[in-house]
Amino acid sequence: NAGVTQTPKFQVLKTGQSMTLQCAQDMNHNSMYWYRQDPGMGLRLIYYSASEGTTDKGEVPNGYNVSRLNKREFSLRLESAAPSQTSVYFCASSPQGDEQFFGPGTRLTVL
Amino acid sequence: QQQVKQSPQSLIVQKGGISIINCAYENTAFDYFPWYQQFPGKGPALLIAIRPDVSEKKEGRFTISFNKSAKQFSLHIMDSQPGDSATYFCAAAYSGAGSYQLTFGKGTKLSVIP
Repeated sequence: NAGVTQTPKFQVLKTGQSMTLQCAQDMNHNSMYWYRQDPGMGLRLIYYSASEGTTDKGEVPNGYNVSRLNKREFSLRLESAAPSQTSVYFCASSPQGDEQFFGPGTRLTVL
Repeated sequence: QQQVKQSPQSLIVQKGGISIINCAYENTAFDYFPWYQQFPGKGPALLIAIRPDVSEKKEGRFTISFNKSAKQFSLHIMDSQPGDSATYFCAAAYSGAGSYQLTFGKGTKLSVIP
């Protein structure tokens, strides 16, 4: 039982490049989330998926897209990366939305 | 607009002391208040959570105190240990939209010195 896994762990991009961050959970949770964490800012919600087949914007969705591929997987895509998207990205899952289980994070640097 | 304000930003406590972290919220619709603990290089992990129908919840050395009228809640860590050194985040959410959207405070870095 791996919980929430994220790939890659680290990534360096150049401005304008695109990439997809992958997230998978093996706990049969309904809800999944993407957050970004910046120094001194706490965690901010980018997008979430309350259940398979649905996605909704969070607090900071601009510049990102998501796909809930199936119940296990929720990916985050940066179409044209910008330096302002340099951050640590966390995926989380939850059975009902309250208790959220976080993955280990992806550290992204955009040059 | 910051909906959850957390203080202090950093806290140094001696081993065996009490660590206290405070949070204040604005949205009266919030009905779930968790605390998360994060160690360097790791994802946050749920520590303890409370709902507004109780004023206090205790789990081991960790206690949440909740004041609904003041829209404030706090985390107390009794007998603080060096292993408690981490960053702590309070959060708040409401379930009205069918899924909880957590709004986090900015975090408190706790250092427990021997």
